[in-house]
Amino acid sequence: GQNIDQPTEMTATEGAIVQINCTYQTSGFNGLFWYQQHAGEAPTFLSYNVLDGLEEKGRFSSFLSRSKGYSYLLLKELQMKDSASYLCAVKDSNYQLIWGAGTKLIIKP
Amino acid sequence: GAVVSQHPSWVICKSGTSVKIECRSLDFQATTMFWYRQFPKQSLMLMATSNEGSKATYEQGVEKDKFLINHASLTLSTLTVTSAHPEDSSFYICSAVTSGESGELFFGEGSRLTVL
Repeated sequence: GQNIDQPTEMTATEGAIVQINCTYQTSGFNGLFWYQQHAGEAPTFLSYNVLDGLEEKGRFSSFLSRSKGYSYLLLKELQMKDSASYLCAVKDSNYQLIWGAGTKLIIKP
Repeated sequence: GAVVSQHPSWVICKSGTSVKIECRSLDFQATTMFWYRQFPKQSLMLMATSNEGSKATYEQGVEKDKFLINHASLTLSTLTVTSAHPEDSSFYICSAVTSGESGELFFGEGSRLTVL
């Protein structure tokens, strides 16, 4: 079966760095997405990786290793507004998005 | 980025009535739109894939007669929850995919349905 694993919840301190991991087993791979979702709101796009390596976008970076079926989202200089759920999603061989359950990130002052 | 608008953002209805939710791509043509529902503290659950001009493809376990999807144009898809019951209360979110290599997904604002 297809599976996306990410931690259920993480806690970090304002100003610090946090890494949210995502491992996947899917039938084929056509890209990995990270989305941010605040409570009661729709997800917003953060990043897209299709090749191995690190993609940096401001305070957020996303890494992919296709051979390991692994990705992480790195958030630097954490701000209180970063408190949200972070969803990992993989596009499989049929170009269907398989969603992880999301990681709830709690930022403490 | 591309904009997807969803309406209404919240709706309260009586049990047994039907509710229609609209999803519009405002600045691009979306041949494919997706409908999700999300229960509290859970991830997105894909309900159906809506293709312009053809019948929607429903995921296993989703009743096509209860959740009617119409994708009549390249910028509009609608989800109608027919004969709504309290267990249908949920957060419904639509998304549309852009063309191009990444096929990036953009989400509507979501519609919170409460059935009394």
